[in-house]
Amino acid sequence: GEDVEQSLFLSVREGDSSVINCTYTDSSSTYLYWYKQEPGAGLQLLTYIFSNMDMKQDQRLTVLLNKKDKHLSLRIADTQTGDSAIYFCAESRDGGYNKLIFGAGTRLAVHP
Amino acid sequence: ETGVTQTPRHLVMGMTNKKSLKCEQHLGHNAMYWYKQSAKKPLELMFVYNFKEQTENNSVPSRFSPECPNSSHLFLHLHTLQPEDSALYLCASSQESGGRAYEQFFGPGTRLTVL
Repeated sequence: GEDVEQSLFLSVREGDSSVINCTYTDSSSTYLYWYKQEPGAGLQLLTYIFSNMDMKQDQRLTVLLNKKDKHLSLRIADTQTGDSAIYFCAESRDGGYNKLIFGAGTRLAVHP
Repeated sequence: ETGVTQTPRHLVMGMTNKKSLKCEQHLGHNAMYWYKQSAKKPLELMFVYNFKEQTENNSVPSRFSPECPNSSHLFLHLHTLQPEDSALYLCASSQESGGRAYEQFFGPGTRLTVL
């Protein structure tokens, strides 16, 4: 199957860390992505990780990949109100073309 | 204009109308995509064009007809739609669609309501 699953909602306090989780089913996936969608806007690529990596860090963002369990997570350190958005996990496979399979998205709400 | 633009941003149409959505990318990319985002389903890929050639039709009903006259423009022609077609239609582009992690840049979407 090609399902990508995410929890639908996460609420965190400003300044805390947020962890958004994702599971995927296709073991042949070579790239995994995190996109952010703010209200009224399209999707913005936050970061991606190649399947032979287990961690990638970019400023406040840390991506962890457990390929054995097909589990991907996005950690946002020092979460700010501007981080409130919907976060989509997506997978793709190499060869052919870059077809992305998206999860349903996790709505992150940051409160004071 | 920069990035990926879509017009109109909002569209309300009856089931017997014919309308078109327009997407334009100003990034020099060669691949363009149409996605459907509805409340009850994950983001669904509809069509992919690579160097103006359609490379993917994800079992989309024929009432949706894409057109890609050049690498910068992508249209989605709509006719005899159903209320369940109401959704946010997102356009995206990338450097090309053949493998690798070519980032897809998304437009803001067209919010379509079918009455």
